[in-house]
Amino acid sequence: AQSVTQLDSHVSVSEGTPVLLRCNYSSSYSPSLFWYVQHPNKGLQLLLKYTSAATLVKGINGFEAEFKKSETSFHLTKPSAHMSDAAEYFCVVTRPGSSNTGKLIFGQGTTLQVKP
Amino acid sequence: KAGVTQTPRYLIKTRGQQVTLSCSPISGHRSVSWYQQTPGQGLQFLFEYFSETQRNKGNFPGRFSGRQFSNSRSEMNVSTLELGDSALYLCASSYKGPDTQYFGPGTRLTVL
Repeated sequence: AQSVTQLDSHVSVSEGTPVLLRCNYSSSYSPSLFWYVQHPNKGLQLLLKYTSAATLVKGINGFEAEFKKSETSFHLTKPSAHMSDAAEYFCVVTRPGSSNTGKLIFGQGTTLQVKP
Repeated sequence: KAGVTQTPRYLIKTRGQQVTLSCSPISGHRSVSWYQQTPGQGLQFLFEYFSETQRNKGNFPGRFSGRQFSNSRSEMNVSTLELGDSALYLCASSYKGPDTQYFGPGTRLTVL
């Protein structure tokens, strides 16, 4: 079975300061991991994905995440927050391979607030 | 390429009615997945279609059904609507399934 836990439901940062959104996963198999962002009244946009290549993954808009197998973590970071980063972020796990076709397991989400 | 499109964007129904939502995937994508998003339960997987066949199904009652057409467009149907079906329904497409999924803007369903 697979699951993902986002450790903070709400994170507040000041503009220009670093962002850290924490995610731990549980998987019986080598997982694929994703971070998606959802702005109000919008669909989900892919920020980045890990698929067993490099453990440090760079995404769009300056975000990156590091896969740490020993800690079963996949935390999302950004060096400097921008007001436009305010949104809800989802950590997602799936099992690559045809036996778990198309099924993403979502964390509960972390709301990122960016203060001016 | 055009993104995933969903119609309608907003829908208001009453209890007991049925509803059909539509999703057009990115051109060339053959897998379409559906998700329900609610404040209480978060994002939950409904089902996934690939080449007109349902390949995977989440833990939802049989009132929730779907289908996929030969052009990969998909529809989701909910019969005998309940108040708890009020949610944002998101559709996602990918090339073949366990790949990166691209999401549409969603259909906001309100059941009164």
